Amino acid sequence: AQSVTQLGSHVSVSEGALVLLRCNYSSSVPPYLFWYVQYPNQGLQLLLKYTTGATLVKGINGFEAEFKKSETSFHLTKPSAHMSDAAEYFCAVSDPLMGGANSKLTFGKGITLSVRP
Amino acid sequence: GAVVSQHPSRVICKSGTSVKIECRSLDFQATTMFWYRQFPKQSLMLMATSNEGSKATYEQGVEKDKFLINHASLTLSTLTVTSAHPEDSSFYICSAREGASSNEQFFGPGTRLTVL
Repeated sequence: AQSVTQLGSHVSVSEGALVLLRCNYSSSVPPYLFWYVQYPNQGLQLLLKYTTGATLVKGINGFEAEFKKSETSFHLTKPSAHMSDAAEYFCAVSDPLMGGANSKLTFGKGITLSVRP
Repeated sequence: GAVVSQHPSRVICKSGTSVKIECRSLDFQATTMFWYRQFPKQSLMLMATSNEGSKATYEQGVEKDKFLINHASLTLSTLTVTSAHPEDSSFYICSAREGASSNEQFFGPGTRLTVL
């Protein structure tokens, strides 16, 4: 079974500061990894994903994440936070060997990012 | 881009009534749709996976008779909460995947259900 750990429930940064949201996973095979953002009372929007190839993945809104197999991590970063980045962020994994109807996402519990002026 | 809509966005109903939530893929054909439930300040919990033309696969602990899922076409799946009770109040989110080999899910905006 796969699992995702997002330590902490809340991160607060100043506008312009570095954003670092941590994600660690547990999987018996190298998984597909995803970061989603959720604004209040809305669905999820994909920020970026890692499937194969380059381990540093760039996404929308200036975010990027690096897949580190040795650390079983997929931390999300952004060099300079903007007020509009304030939202809930979810890390998720899926098993690439479980294709078709069995390809499910397992989500972490999410982390709230606040940006101070 | 791939767009998924949900209707209604918000519904308030009396205890004992049934509520239907629609999930539509607007610009692609979704062979698989997923239904999630999200409690306040918590993560998404997968309820069921539905494939067009076949019965939904429910996750452990989810009552299939309580949460009826129909995926009658490649662009529409419905979730019906039968005999709703206050504990069914939650945020319900659907997602859709285009093609059996796709690894990406596109999420709807969610439906806020409040049962009085």
